[in-house]
Amino acid sequence: QVTLKESGPGILQPSQTLSLTCTFSGFSLSTYGMGVGWIRQPSGKGLEWLANIWWDDDKYYNPSLKNRLTISKDTSNNQAFLKITNVDTADTATYYCARITYWFAYWGQGTLVTVSS
Amino acid sequence: DIVMTQTPSSQAVSAGEKVTMSCKSSQSLLYSENKKNYLAWYQQKPGQSPKLLISWASTRESGVPDRFIGSGSGTDFTLTISSVQAEDLAVYYCEQYYDTPLTFGSGTKLEIK
Repeated sequence: QVTLKESGPGILQPSQTLSLTCTFSGFSLSTYGMGVGWIRQPSGKGLEWLANIWWDDDKYYNPSLKNRLTISKDTSNNQAFLKITNVDTADTATYYCARITYWFAYWGQGTLVTVSS
Repeated sequence: DIVMTQTPSSQAVSAGEKVTMSCKSSQSLLYSENKKNYLAWYQQKPGQSPKLLISWASTRESGVPDRFIGSGSGTDFTLTISSVQAEDLAVYYCEQYYDTPLTFGSGTKLEIK
């Protein structure tokens, strides 16, 4: 059974760095073809893909967030991480992690992040 | 970037009716080497995470009712629900995985009359 769960700070201030953790089970990020992606969704709005990391440590980012994103993984502890630097109110959203092969087959429950001064 | 355009933005139907929703991509999602369309459909019910319904444009995920039918190729795709049930109340998103950045459509909200 594949499960994923996101965790994050809940609330942070503009200009701070957002650190998110995805803890998963039921698959390994050392398995060929496996990946974890991050997607966000502002309240009442659509889905925006942020980044993927793959079993071979290959990484892909959404260029719309320029150089603010860093994705990483801890294979031995079944975790993936996303950092977003210099946040502002536009980064307020629910952040999801999901297992990806080609598509996002399994999603976490999401963690709400609010950026507010 | 590949732009995904979904229409309509919302639709209200009665239970038992057939509903279709469209997803168009700004470039072809058909990969010539394997003849596969790199398109997925997701269902997001109120207060829940998205759930994968269909991959490769027309392959239903295990456990997805057969009333959900994906079709289309190239740049034009359709999700059909053959007989809408009350539990199908949700927003439906298409997503292309042909190229990065991965992109989603803006969604079609299905309401039950």
